[in-house]
Amino acid sequence: GAVVSQHPSRVICKSGTSVKIECRSLDFQATTMFWYRQFPKQSLMLMATSNEGSKATYEQGVEKDKFLINHASLTLSTLTVTSAHPEDSSFYICSARDLGEVTNEKLFFGSGTQLSVL
Amino acid sequence: RKEVEQDPGPFNVPEGATVAFNCTYSNSASQSFFWYRQDCRKEPKLLMSVYSSGNEDGRFTAQLNRASQYISLLIRDSKLSDSATYLCVVNKNNNDMRFGAGTRLTVKP
Repeated sequence: GAVVSQHPSRVICKSGTSVKIECRSLDFQATTMFWYRQFPKQSLMLMATSNEGSKATYEQGVEKDKFLINHASLTLSTLTVTSAHPEDSSFYICSARDLGEVTNEKLFFGSGTQLSVL
Repeated sequence: RKEVEQDPGPFNVPEGATVAFNCTYSNSASQSFFWYRQDCRKEPKLLMSVYSSGNEDGRFTAQLNRASQYISLLIRDSKLSDSATYLCVVNKNNNDMRFGAGTRLTVKP
Protein backbone atom coordinates (compact mmCIF):
# COMPACT_ATOMS: atom_id res chain seq x y z
CA GLY A 1 0.00 0.00 0.00
CA ALA A 2 0.85 3.66 -0.18
CA VAL A 3 3.51 4.92 2.21
CA VAL A 4 3.99 8.34 3.73
CA SER A 5 7.36 9.03 5.29
CA GLN A 6 7.65 11.71 7.97
CA HIS A 7 10.88 13.00 9.47
CA PRO A 8 12.13 13.56 12.06
CA SER A 9 10.23 11.31 14.44
CA ARG A 10 11.32 13.25 17.48
CA VAL A 11 12.74 16.72 18.03
CA ILE A 12 13.88 18.37 21.23
CA CYS A 13 14.82 22.00 20.82
CA LYS A 14 15.33 25.20 22.72
CA SER A 15 12.71 27.90 22.82
CA GLY A 16 13.05 30.33 19.93
CA THR A 17 14.46 27.91 17.40
CA SER A 18 12.71 26.83 14.22
CA VAL A 19 11.94 23.23 13.43
CA LYS A 20 11.23 21.77 9.99
CA ILE A 21 9.20 18.60 9.56
CA GLU A 22 9.11 16.75 6.24
CA CYS A 23 6.34 14.63 4.85
CA ARG A 24 6.96 12.56 1.72
CA SER A 25 4.68 10.30 -0.26
CA LEU A 26 7.03 7.50 -1.29
CA ASP A 27 5.16 5.62 -3.98
CA PHE A 28 2.34 7.89 -5.03
CA GLN A 29 1.63 11.49 -5.91
CA ALA A 30 -0.30 13.75 -3.61
CA THR A 31 -1.50 17.18 -4.68
CA THR A 32 -2.94 17.59 -1.23
CA MET A 33 -1.41 16.81 2.12
CA PHE A 34 -2.81 17.53 5.54
CA TRP A 35 -1.05 18.61 8.71
CA TYR A 36 -2.45 17.77 12.13
CA ARG A 37 -1.47 18.47 15.70
CA GLN A 38 -2.36 16.25 18.61
CA PHE A 39 -1.97 17.18 22.27
CA PRO A 40 -1.91 14.42 24.88
CA LYS A 41 -5.22 12.62 25.25
CA GLN A 42 -6.82 14.84 22.65
CA SER A 43 -7.95 14.33 19.09
CA LEU A 44 -6.09 15.03 15.91
CA MET A 45 -6.71 18.66 15.04
CA LEU A 46 -6.37 19.72 11.42
CA MET A 47 -3.96 22.63 11.20
CA ALA A 48 -3.78 23.20 7.47
CA THR A 49 -4.29 21.71 4.06
CA SER A 50 -1.19 21.82 1.92
CA ASN A 51 -1.70 22.19 -1.83
CA GLU A 52 1.08 21.49 -4.31
CA GLY A 53 2.16 24.64 -6.09
CA SER A 54 -0.09 27.00 -4.16
CA LYS A 55 -0.59 28.46 -0.72
CA ALA A 56 -1.74 26.30 2.12
CA THR A 57 -5.20 26.68 3.58
CA TYR A 58 -5.06 27.18 7.33
CA GLU A 59 -7.73 26.31 9.84
CA GLN A 60 -9.17 29.03 12.00
CA GLY A 61 -6.89 29.88 14.89
CA VAL A 62 -3.72 28.51 13.29
CA GLU A 63 -1.11 31.19 12.66
CA LYS A 64 0.17 30.91 9.11
CA ASP A 65 3.28 32.95 9.89
CA LYS A 66 4.19 30.64 12.72
CA PHE A 67 3.48 27.36 10.95
CA LEU A 68 4.98 27.71 7.50
CA ILE A 69 3.92 25.13 4.98
CA ASN A 70 5.63 24.49 1.68
CA HIS A 71 4.41 21.95 -0.87
CA ALA A 72 6.84 22.34 -3.74
CA SER A 73 6.35 18.97 -5.38
CA LEU A 74 3.77 16.23 -5.66
CA THR A 75 5.64 14.12 -3.14
CA LEU A 76 6.92 16.54 -0.52
CA SER A 77 5.33 18.91 1.95
CA THR A 78 7.15 20.59 4.82
CA LEU A 79 5.92 22.21 8.00
CA THR A 80 8.22 24.68 9.74
CA VAL A 81 7.42 25.69 13.29
CA THR A 82 9.07 29.09 13.55
CA SER A 83 10.37 30.44 16.83
CA ALA A 84 9.02 27.45 18.72
CA HIS A 85 7.87 27.88 22.30
CA PRO A 86 7.00 25.30 24.98
CA GLU A 87 3.30 25.59 24.17
CA ASP A 88 4.09 24.35 20.64
CA SER A 89 5.22 21.03 22.11
CA SER A 90 2.92 18.47 20.55
CA PHE A 91 2.64 15.48 18.23
CA TYR A 92 2.58 16.67 14.62
CA ILE A 93 1.41 14.30 11.92
CA CYS A 94 0.84 14.57 8.19
CA SER A 95 -1.38 12.64 5.86
CA ALA A 96 -1.98 12.41 2.13
CA ARG A 97 -4.32 10.91 -0.39
CA ASP A 98 -3.27 8.81 -3.34
CA LEU A 99 -4.28 10.55 -6.58
CA GLY A 100 -4.19 7.22 -8.32
CA GLU A 101 -6.94 5.76 -6.18
CA VAL A 102 -10.33 5.74 -7.87
CA THR A 103 -11.98 6.68 -4.64
CA ASN A 104 -9.27 8.67 -2.97
CA GLU A 105 -10.86 9.08 0.42
CA LYS A 106 -8.41 6.90 2.26
CA LEU A 107 -5.77 8.85 4.16
CA PHE A 108 -2.23 7.60 4.49
CA PHE A 109 -0.50 8.94 7.54
CA GLY A 110 3.09 9.69 8.31
CA SER A 111 4.45 8.23 11.53
CA GLY A 112 4.33 11.57 13.29
CA THR A 113 6.83 13.93 14.90
CA GLN A 114 6.96 14.46 18.64
CA LEU A 115 8.16 18.01 19.22
CA SER A 116 9.38 19.02 22.66
CA VAL A 117 10.37 22.65 23.15
CA LEU A 118 12.38 23.35 26.28
CA ARG B 1 -21.30 21.59 19.49
CA LYS B 2 -18.30 19.68 18.14
CA GLU B 3 -18.48 18.49 14.57
CA VAL B 4 -17.67 14.94 15.56
CA GLU B 5 -18.34 13.71 19.08
CA GLN B 6 -17.26 10.52 20.75
CA ASP B 7 -17.42 9.20 24.29
CA PRO B 8 -13.77 9.44 25.37
CA GLY B 9 -14.06 6.45 27.67
CA PRO B 10 -11.95 4.80 28.84
CA PHE B 11 -13.68 1.52 28.24
CA ASN B 12 -12.08 -1.22 30.32
CA VAL B 13 -13.33 -4.65 29.33
CA PRO B 14 -12.20 -8.22 29.92
CA GLU B 15 -10.94 -10.39 27.12
CA GLY B 16 -13.75 -11.94 25.16
CA ALA B 17 -16.21 -9.15 25.90
CA THR B 18 -18.27 -7.32 23.31
CA VAL B 19 -17.91 -3.55 23.31
CA ALA B 20 -19.60 -0.84 21.26
CA PHE B 21 -18.64 2.74 20.53
CA ASN B 22 -20.86 5.47 19.16
CA CYS B 23 -20.02 8.65 17.33
CA THR B 24 -22.28 11.53 16.35
CA TYR B 25 -21.67 14.13 13.69
CA SER B 26 -23.24 17.54 13.20
CA ASN B 27 -23.08 18.08 9.44
CA SER B 28 -25.93 16.27 7.74
CA ALA B 29 -24.21 16.74 4.37
CA SER B 30 -21.24 14.61 5.41
CA GLN B 31 -20.37 12.18 2.70
CA SER B 32 -18.39 9.31 4.11
CA PHE B 33 -17.38 7.85 7.41
CA PHE B 34 -14.54 5.83 8.81
CA TRP B 35 -13.18 4.24 11.95
CA TYR B 36 -9.45 4.56 12.52
CA ARG B 37 -7.38 2.95 15.22
CA GLN B 38 -4.55 4.82 16.90
CA ASP B 39 -2.00 3.33 19.26
CA CYS B 40 -0.20 5.65 21.65
CA ARG B 41 2.00 8.16 19.82
CA LYS B 42 1.57 6.33 16.53
CA GLU B 43 -0.16 7.27 13.34
CA PRO B 44 -3.85 6.42 12.93
CA LYS B 45 -4.57 3.39 10.79
CA LEU B 46 -7.76 2.78 8.89
CA LEU B 47 -9.84 0.12 10.56
CA MET B 48 -12.84 0.22 8.29
CA SER B 49 -15.06 2.43 6.22
CA VAL B 50 -18.67 2.74 7.27
CA TYR B 51 -21.50 2.29 4.79
CA SER B 52 -25.21 2.89 5.08
CA SER B 53 -25.86 -0.80 4.71
CA GLY B 54 -23.48 -1.58 7.52
CA ASN B 55 -20.35 -3.62 7.10
CA GLU B 56 -18.51 -6.31 8.94
CA ASP B 57 -14.88 -7.33 8.99
CA GLY B 58 -14.22 -10.30 11.20
CA ARG B 59 -14.94 -9.31 14.78
CA PHE B 60 -15.65 -5.70 13.83
CA THR B 61 -19.02 -4.36 12.69
CA ALA B 62 -19.69 -0.77 11.68
CA GLN B 63 -23.08 0.84 11.24
CA LEU B 64 -24.22 4.21 9.92
CA ASN B 65 -27.50 5.91 10.77
CA ARG B 66 -27.83 8.98 8.57
CA ALA B 67 -31.21 9.99 9.97
CA SER B 68 -29.83 10.22 13.50
CA GLN B 69 -26.36 11.21 12.32
CA TYR B 70 -24.37 8.64 14.20
CA ILE B 71 -22.06 5.79 13.43
CA SER B 72 -21.13 2.87 15.60
CA LEU B 73 -18.39 0.30 15.95
CA LEU B 74 -18.95 -3.07 17.57
CA ILE B 75 -16.06 -5.28 18.59
CA ARG B 76 -16.85 -8.87 19.46
CA ASP B 77 -14.64 -11.31 21.36
CA SER B 78 -12.21 -8.57 22.42
CA LYS B 79 -8.50 -9.36 22.32
CA LEU B 80 -5.73 -7.77 24.34
CA SER B 81 -4.38 -6.42 21.06
CA ASP B 82 -7.58 -4.44 20.53
CA SER B 83 -6.46 -2.01 23.24
CA ALA B 84 -6.09 1.34 21.47
CA THR B 85 -7.89 4.59 20.81
CA TYR B 86 -10.61 4.38 18.18
CA LEU B 87 -11.18 7.49 16.12
CA CYS B 88 -14.38 8.33 14.33
CA VAL B 89 -13.69 10.22 11.11
CA VAL B 90 -16.24 12.10 9.03
CA ASN B 91 -15.60 13.35 5.52
CA LYS B 92 -17.48 16.62 5.06
CA ASN B 93 -16.32 16.97 1.49
CA ASN B 94 -13.43 15.65 -0.52
CA ASN B 95 -10.73 17.57 1.31
CA ASP B 96 -12.24 18.11 4.72
CA MET B 97 -12.05 15.14 7.04
CA ARG B 98 -12.83 15.69 10.70
CA PHE B 99 -11.70 13.52 13.56
CA GLY B 100 -13.48 12.75 16.78
CA ALA B 101 -11.54 12.95 20.02
CA GLY B 102 -11.27 9.18 20.13
CA THR B 103 -12.49 6.51 22.49
CA ARG B 104 -9.91 4.68 24.55
CA LEU B 105 -10.31 0.95 24.91
CA THR B 106 -8.36 -1.23 27.30
CA VAL B 107 -8.87 -4.97 27.11
CA LYS B 108 -7.69 -6.77 30.23
CA PRO B 109 -6.78 -10.41 30.75
